[in-house]
Amino acid sequence: QVQLVEFGGDVVQPGRSLRLSCVASGFTFSAYPMHWVRQAPGKGLEWVAFTSYDGRNKYYADSVKGRFTISRDTFKNTLYLQMNSLRAEDTAVYYCARGFNFHDGSPTDHWGQGTLVTVSS
Amino acid sequence: EIVMTQSPATLSVSPGERVTLSCRASQSVSSNLAWFQQNPGQAPRLLIYGASTRATDIPVRFSGSGSGTEFTLTISSLQSEDFALYYCQQYDNWPRTFGQGTKVEIK
Repeated sequence: QVQLVEFGGDVVQPGRSLRLSCVASGFTFSAYPMHWVRQAPGKGLEWVAFTSYDGRNKYYADSVKGRFTISRDTFKNTLYLQMNSLRAEDTAVYYCARGFNFHDGSPTDHWGQGTLVTVSS
Repeated sequence: EIVMTQSPATLSVSPGERVTLSCRASQSVSSNLAWFQQNPGQAPRLLIYGASTRATDIPVRFSGSGSGTEFTLTISSLQSEDFALYYCQQYDNWPRTFGQGTKVEIK
């Protein structure tokens, strides 16, 4: 079955960097687009970043553009989110999610359980 | 960006009741609208996509309707496991945007 497991959440100081990973299994990772979505404590869902199935197309929320980078490693079946210049408002549970099919415009159908990032001095 | 507005913020209902949740987009998203359910401490679960298509293994009591800017999620007879948070999301344009959520709680 489809499984997505996120790693890398931690407590970091403002201005520092962190890289999240999401290991995928149970499906052909290279055939699906992937997303990162976050949820601040007690708040709603916020879409963060997207990569197409082949990595050619990438989109970002304005709140993270220029600071976060999404990437994928097909050989490792792993999705990444490199987060630089972290701010207190980046504190959230970060979920990776799979696109429904290879189209960039498909909804997300499977989500990981999330990893917590806390930005605090 | 497209702003998604859900109403009401909270619904207090009894088990067995019929529930209707609303979601409005600030501009047309065609039928590129999804609904998610989230229980405390858990990841969101896809319920509906394409505004009205149930996702895999979603019970028939969940139904979605609408297109353009107005959408609804209906739960025909609320079960105990349905008390949760519900989010709509448009996937017509970038950035993808979510509504702020509707909490369905026990009356």
